[in-house]
Amino acid sequence: AQSVSQHNHHVILSEAASLELGCNYSYGGTVNLFWYVQYPGQHLQLLLKYFSGDPLVKGIKGFEAEFIKSKFSFNLRKPSVQWSDTAEYFCAVSAFYGGSQGNLIFGKGTKLSVKP
Amino acid sequence: GAVVSQHPSRVICKSGTSVKIECRSLDFQATTMFWYRQFPKQSLMLMATSNEGSKATYEQGVEKDKFLINHASLTLSTLTVTSAHPEDSSFYICSAKGLAGSYEQYFGPGTRLTVT
Repeated sequence: AQSVSQHNHHVILSEAASLELGCNYSYGGTVNLFWYVQYPGQHLQLLLKYFSGDPLVKGIKGFEAEFIKSKFSFNLRKPSVQWSDTAEYFCAVSAFYGGSQGNLIFGKGTKLSVKP
Repeated sequence: GAVVSQHPSRVICKSGTSVKIECRSLDFQATTMFWYRQFPKQSLMLMATSNEGSKATYEQGVEKDKFLINHASLTLSTLTVTSAHPEDSSFYICSAKGLAGSYEQYFGPGTRLTVT
């Protein structure tokens, strides 16, 4: 079965530090890839997505992610984090089977705490 | 655009009673809606997928007689937790997908259910 792994459960950084959150998935075919963010007390919001084309995707709030097909990875990056980036980040993957999109499978999430 | 609302945001009920949660797409027609359950420090687990006008498709291990899903219109889906027990206490999140061929899901803010 398809699965999504996020390697870090909790990441603590100081402001201005660089961020990279790992995400790996297990499916060899065509996938759509997503990163969602959930700020404290708020609902899930889409940060960025990859469907096709340039494997380096830029999202909102200075986030970007790179799809490396050979590594089955879609890591999230931000060069300089801010206190307001404190949130939980979820990687999600939806695979294509026979031309039809499957359901979104979520990773367990990574909690990011940014110290001011 | 693409706003999804849920009502109520929080509900406390007594064991043995039923609770209904509404999910509405406010500015688009949702052909497909999804219901997730999120446990503390864990990922979102898909419970069921519902298409307007047809029966919901439940994921393995989800009791369809306990979690009744109705998708009566293109903007409204409801989840009814019947004969609630304390172990049903959780955070329930819905999402909606637009017209056929759309790959993005838009998430509601979630409903915190506490069964006493």
